[in-house]
This record gives sequence, C-alpha cells and structure tokens, in this order.
Amino acid sequence: EADIYQTPRYLVIGTGKKITLECSQTMGHDKMYWYQQDPGMELHLIHYSYGVNSTEKGDLSSESTVSRIRTEHFPLTLESARPSHTSQYLCASSASTSGAETQYFGPGTRLLVL
Amino acid sequence: GQNIDQPTEMTATEGAIVQINCTYQTSGFNGLFWYQQHAGEAPTFLSYNVLDGLEEKGRFSSFLSRSKGYSYLLLKELQMKDSASYLCAVREQNYGQNFVFGPGTRLSVLP
Repeated sequence: EADIYQTPRYLVIGTGKKITLECSQTMGHDKMYWYQQDPGMELHLIHYSYGVNSTEKGDLSSESTVSRIRTEHFPLTLESARPSHTSQYLCASSASTSGAETQYFGPGTRLLVL
Repeated sequence: GQNIDQPTEMTATEGAIVQINCTYQTSGFNGLFWYQQHAGEAPTFLSYNVLDGLEEKGRFSSFLSRSKGYSYLLLKELQMKDSASYLCAVREQNYGQNFVFGPGTRLSVLP
C-alpha cells in the first residue's frame, strides 16, 4: 500500500482566501505530481517535480504554485481562491529509479470555493 | 501530440468477462498503465505494459500492441466491487516522462 498523504481531505472556503493543500510521502520517491480532476472527468497534470528545488508546470494552466524544499513534501498553494478552483486535487509520487516509475496517488483533497 | 481514447461507459454482469480497450497516439511512448478509480477515491495501480504482449495478474490482464497503439484491460470473474472507472495512461518520453491519462471507462457490474 502506498504511503502518500494529503490534507485536508475536504475544504470549503470563501472566495479570495489563500489556501495550501498538503502532500507528503514516506516512500523516498524523487518525483511528485499534482493533478486536478473534476467529477467524472480525466486527470490533468498541473505541477510536477523531479526532486528537491525542482518544480515544473503541467499541461493544464493553473493559478496555483508549488514548492519542493524537502523530498517528502510537495505543497500546493492558491493565493486567492475562486469558484473556478472548485475541484478534486490529487497528489502522486513515483521513483525514477524503478523501471516502471509507477505513480502512487494520495487520497485527494476535495475543494469547494464559495 | 498526445491522444488517448477509451469507451465512456460499459456494463457487464457479475461473473462475466469484460474487455476495456484503449487506443493512443504518442510521439515518445514509454509505457502504458491501467488504473482503477472508485467514485470519489484516488486511482490505484493495476498493471503496466512496456513490451508487446499480455501481462496477467490474477483476475486482471493487460495487453499491449505498440505498433497498433492499442491496449486492453481484461477483467475476469467480474465482481460487484469491480464497478469503477478504469483509466488508461501513457508515459511520454517527450513529456518529461510524465503520464497522459485517458478519459476513463466507467464500468458497471450488474447482479
């Protein structure tokens, strides 16, 4: 079973608030990812990291930012939440040293912006 | 560019066999993955193919043909708990070795 954690699991917040979604993994994986998924829709990559101090934007334009100061930690921040940010946010990690580089997902954060 | 197609929905009966197809177009294929995702939950890894052929893992098997850009996931002896979405994902060399996910196939298993 994958050891990757996300908090909070559910968040309801007002427009304009700053929020940080937490993601941690204890598997020592070098790569980490953030996906956005609306109900019944496909996953879209919004940010990824190859290791400490490495962050890249994914294929879906996002107003969020990420940081990777420690290997195990990859938080995502929204400076000013808007209703359009309402979605599920999934964090994942993988090890580049493994042949398959299988991605393991956290339980997700469901965000509702009013 | 990247393009992954899967049927949107499928229905099957408990105890039956179902095959979920996935076709893809990619410029730098480096592996195909199948994930299971129950409603409201995170995807969980099912299988991985990088070479042509069939990979079997219990009730689940996955097949890959790189020349045809085609894969399928075969589920045998269907159980009610298999009702979920099944996501096909391709790892792209030209996309930083990241995954491109298909839209998913929602499978409903009926008694």
